[in-house]
Amino acid sequence: QVHLVESGGGVVQPGTSLRLSCAVSGFNFNSYGMHWVRQAPGKGLEWVAVTSYDGNVKYYADSVKGRFTVSRDRSKNTLYLLMNSLRAEDTAVYYCAKEGNIVATVPGCPDSWGQGTLVTVSS
Amino acid sequence: LVLTQSPGILSLSPGERATLSCRASQSVSNYLAWYQQKPGQAPRLLIHGASTRAAGVPDRFSGSGSGTDFTLTISRLEPEDFVVYYCQQYDSSLYTFGQGTKLDFK
Repeated sequence: QVHLVESGGGVVQPGTSLRLSCAVSGFNFNSYGMHWVRQAPGKGLEWVAVTSYDGNVKYYADSVKGRFTVSRDRSKNTLYLLMNSLRAEDTAVYYCAKEGNIVATVPGCPDSWGQGTLVTVSS
Repeated sequence: LVLTQSPGILSLSPGERATLSCRASQSVSNYLAWYQQKPGQAPRLLIHGASTRAAGVPDRFSGSGSGTDFTLTISRLEPEDFVVYYCQQYDSSLYTFGQGTKLDFK
């Protein structure tokens, strides 16, 4: 059974950094691309970033490009999101999600999601 | 690439048919997915490839369309279906979501 567990959220001040983790189990992590998607309180879903199964392809939303970095540790079955220069508008629940296409050069859409971790950026 | 969902809120009764729309500002071929989100929960994939039902999704949910115009149809609404639905395109490297449609009880 696919299982994704996010961690690392919390309350941070504007301009600081935070690293989110997503520990996965129940599938071959090294064969699937992985997404980060966020949802501000009371708002809709916003796609943040994606990495291909091998880490060679990474795409970012314009709102986070240059500030956020997605990476993966194949030995730990863990996905990361390093968030620098955080802003108030980055406040959201951050979800990691597995894409549905095995060994895809360009990742497809998310098909399984974690429960999310809340990041609050506030002074 | 912008996805526009309509209506923003759809008021219906259990047993009725729901038709939700998602329009793309440029063609996304059939790289369109639909998600359901219940309060306090993560989204759940319903439809991918515009019309392929995800595993375990009831057959009252169906998707159609290609190019720029897509539809999610719920043939006979159950009480648990009255939540929020999002479309997402994955044709471009910006995996855009629509703003969502909320299904409300009439």
